[in-house]
Amino acid sequence: KAGVTQTPRYLIKTRGQQVTLSCSPISGHRSVSWYQQTPGQGLQFLFEYFSETQRNKGNFPGRFSGRQFSNSRSEMNVSTLELGDSALYLCASKPGQGYHEQFFGPGTRLTVL
Amino acid sequence: SQQGEEDPQALSIQEGENATMNCSYKTSINNLQWYRQNSGRGLVHLILIRSNEREKHSGRLRVTLDTSKKSSSLLITASRAADTASYFCATDGLGDYKLSFGAGTTVTVRA
Repeated sequence: KAGVTQTPRYLIKTRGQQVTLSCSPISGHRSVSWYQQTPGQGLQFLFEYFSETQRNKGNFPGRFSGRQFSNSRSEMNVSTLELGDSALYLCASKPGQGYHEQFFGPGTRLTVL
Repeated sequence: SQQGEEDPQALSIQEGENATMNCSYKTSINNLQWYRQNSGRGLVHLILIRSNEREKHSGRLRVTLDTSKKSSSLLITASRAADTASYFCATDGLGDYKLSFGAGTTVTVRA
């Protein structure tokens, strides 16, 4: 089975722009989670989707949003980018209910200038 | 904010030695997992221990869990250069559909 894929792998944006990151989970996985990783704050949970429904959201401003499609692929969007949004954004998938191990993608490295 | 802390923040050992790192967490958990990350890439799941378990082994890994102290430890025996990575503990709360990660321990294994 192919692993979790994330596109793009690297992205450079300027302050005020918006960005959309994409995640394709492992085939058959219905749960997708997003995490932000920075040197200062570490790994922080953004949101989790299961069958197109957001089940939990982390403590991030409304500029951060996401969605999941019927094929379980997920996107996250950050509007009005700030310098502090520079981070590695990680997507993880798992089959769904009753499963705990998460399978992570390689991440998207976002740099905001 | 993160669920817990890891100790030490960094560890440097000689190949063949054992590496031990600790994790503390704050709230009740469903299970605790350990992940490895190489050079800012994706995380790889290593091992999961449930809240009703006290010790678990997987290959060269040994994990303990003390729910009364809200702490866990990961032991890597007979370390190899390929074990050089950052190690994170992550707790899975009761029905909150997310992992809460510790700050991580960076392990360097010297040849």
